[in-house]
Amino acid sequence: NAGVTQTPKFQVLKTGQSMTLQCAQDMNHEYMSWYRQDPGMGLRLIHYSVGAGITDQGEVPNGYNVSRSTTEDFPLRLLSAAPSQTSVYFCASSPGLSYEQYFGPGTRLTVT
Amino acid sequence: EDKVVQSPLSLVVHEGDTVTLNCSYEVTNFRSLLWYKQEKKAPTFLFMLTSSGIEKKSGRLSSILDKKELFSILNITATQTGDSAIYLCGRMNYGGSQGNLIFGKGTKLSVKP
Repeated sequence: NAGVTQTPKFQVLKTGQSMTLQCAQDMNHEYMSWYRQDPGMGLRLIHYSVGAGITDQGEVPNGYNVSRSTTEDFPLRLLSAAPSQTSVYFCASSPGLSYEQYFGPGTRLTVT
Repeated sequence: EDKVVQSPLSLVVHEGDTVTLNCSYEVTNFRSLLWYKQEKKAPTFLFMLTSSGIEKKSGRLSSILDKKELFSILNITATQTGDSAIYLCGRMNYGGSQGNLIFGKGTKLSVKP
């Protein structure tokens, strides 16, 4: 049982490039979410999903896309990277809305 | 606006001190309030509070929720250097945006020997 896994751990992109941050969980959790963390800003919700085929926007969705084709995977796509997207990205999952969320180890992204 | 406000934003204490961290929230369809501890990596879960006035306790840490006044506190007694971390408070609600766990900016606690 690996829990929540994220790849890559680190990534450097040039402005305008696109990429996908991967998130997977093996706990059969219905709920998954993506957060970004910037210094002094806490965790800000980007997108979340309450089940396969269902996604919704969080607080800061612009510039990011998600899809949830399976229960296990919840990839986050950056369509055209900008320096403002330099951040640490965390994926989280939960069995349901009445349970705590389990966080992955994070991906540190730098956009130059 | 659904906001979660934590105070103080940073705090420096000495080992053995007792600290109280505050979290207030503004939401109508409240479901639960969660506390997390974040050291150098991913946040780790501490408490989930859904009922007003019931204290949750784990060792030297405890937390309580006041649903009438819309706030929660996290207490740490006899602090140790290992308590140094960012403490995050988040709220989950019912309704149209359920599933939406929103966090405050966190309180950075530094415990000096």
